[in-house]
Amino acid sequence: SQQGEEDPQALSIQEGENATMNCSYKTSINNLQWYRQNSGRGLVHLILIRSNEREKHSGRLRVTLDTSKKSSSLLITASRAADTASYFCATANQAGTALIFGKGTTLSVSS
Amino acid sequence: DSGVTQTPKHLITATGQRVTLRCSPRSGDLSVYWYQQSLDQGLQFLIQYYNGEERAKGNILERFSAQQFPDLHSELNLSSLELGDSALYFCASSVGSWGNTEAFFGQGTRLTVV
Repeated sequence: SQQGEEDPQALSIQEGENATMNCSYKTSINNLQWYRQNSGRGLVHLILIRSNEREKHSGRLRVTLDTSKKSSSLLITASRAADTASYFCATANQAGTALIFGKGTTLSVSS
Repeated sequence: DSGVTQTPKHLITATGQRVTLRCSPRSGDLSVYWYQQSLDQGLQFLIQYYNGEERAKGNILERFSAQQFPDLHSELNLSSLELGDSALYFCASSVGSWGNTEAFFGQGTRLTVV
């Protein structure tokens, strides 16, 4: 079963705008990861945020984590057409041995 | 390039047949994971191997099996194929436990069952 659920399912914005995607999860976690997938390609790791962290930055990416609400958000600032992709959050299964992915948010950035 | 190699990239086969998908993990990674991605089910975790041993099982059908060899490459065997098995199959690798490390994904094998 899905551990993380992303919201919205789809997001369309213009270049230069910010994009925010949310992820909610069900059980306690040690960390949460975000991945990007370009159409039909393999997933690429973006960022990992640990349960004791509240915010993390990587370039134009900002991830927040609220463990009390069991939610995380991914903000992409100043979006570019090349950011068009699906974005997934992932958390470990209960045994901590495998990553379970949500269904993703499909982001479309038009120029 | 993630360093994870999957072959073949594309595979077309008939219902009832058996196929083998191959994955070479990144150098030094001991864990290999298999995922199935379809439009309706999303990205489903199938199975994990760590240093040759099965570590975790997800939504893997009994018709599917996998193994990891001493050189750490892995194979996913799909048998008695059905139309619904058509999907992208991804392999990923990591140094150790998923919980604390990032995963590196291959480019996938697109399986079409006709």
